[in-house]
Amino acid sequence: DAGVTQSPTHLIKTRGQQVTLRCSPKSGHDTVSWYQQALGQGPQFIFQYYEEEERQRGNFPDRFSGHQFPNYSSELNVNALLLGDSALYLCASSLLPDTQYFGPGTRLTVL
Amino acid sequence: DQQVKQNSPSLSVQEGRISILNCDYTNSMFDYFLWYKKYPAEGPTFLISISSIKDKNEDGRFTVFLNKSAKHLSLHIVPSQPGDSAVYFCAASLGSQTGANNLFFGTGTRLTVIP
Repeated sequence: DAGVTQSPTHLIKTRGQQVTLRCSPKSGHDTVSWYQQALGQGPQFIFQYYEEEERQRGNFPDRFSGHQFPNYSSELNVNALLLGDSALYLCASSLLPDTQYFGPGTRLTVL
Repeated sequence: DQQVKQNSPSLSVQEGRISILNCDYTNSMFDYFLWYKKYPAEGPTFLISISSIKDKNEDGRFTVFLNKSAKHLSLHIVPSQPGDSAVYFCAASLGSQTGANNLFFGTGTRLTVIP
């Protein structure tokens, strides 16, 4: 049974560019949440998708957007990248209301 | 504003002894608390949780204690094993449906169990 998978593993971008990160949820899960983990910090909630709609959002600017597909996989898009967007981006999936299971993350470096 | 705090960035314990990891929170509306363990290059792995209506939950070597009046919880690992060496995150949820709610995480405590 495959767990949560994310791609790519690592990514390097320059300021002002746009990036798309991908997440496939654990088999049977229908909800995907995205978190940003800056160096030395705990994960911070970005948003959550359920039934292809954003149902919750944390305190992140509109440069952060997402999408969920009919097969429950999800994308996180970040526009106009800033140096401060460098972080580990974690995807978590769940089958409501059970708890969240995390993927290994995508390490984004913005130069 | 950090609503969940883990004030000890690191902890070292001898194999076989007890490890105690602490967590404090500020929001009295938190309804459910979780502990996650994270190894390098892996995502956080769910370990154990506790509802705010309980003060203790046990699962094998792992026990979580909740003191609501002090807004404090702790994770006890007995006996500690070298494989327990990881970063431990405390997290809180505003509802019992932790899959539906965003989780508020602490900054983590790096546990090193010395053989």
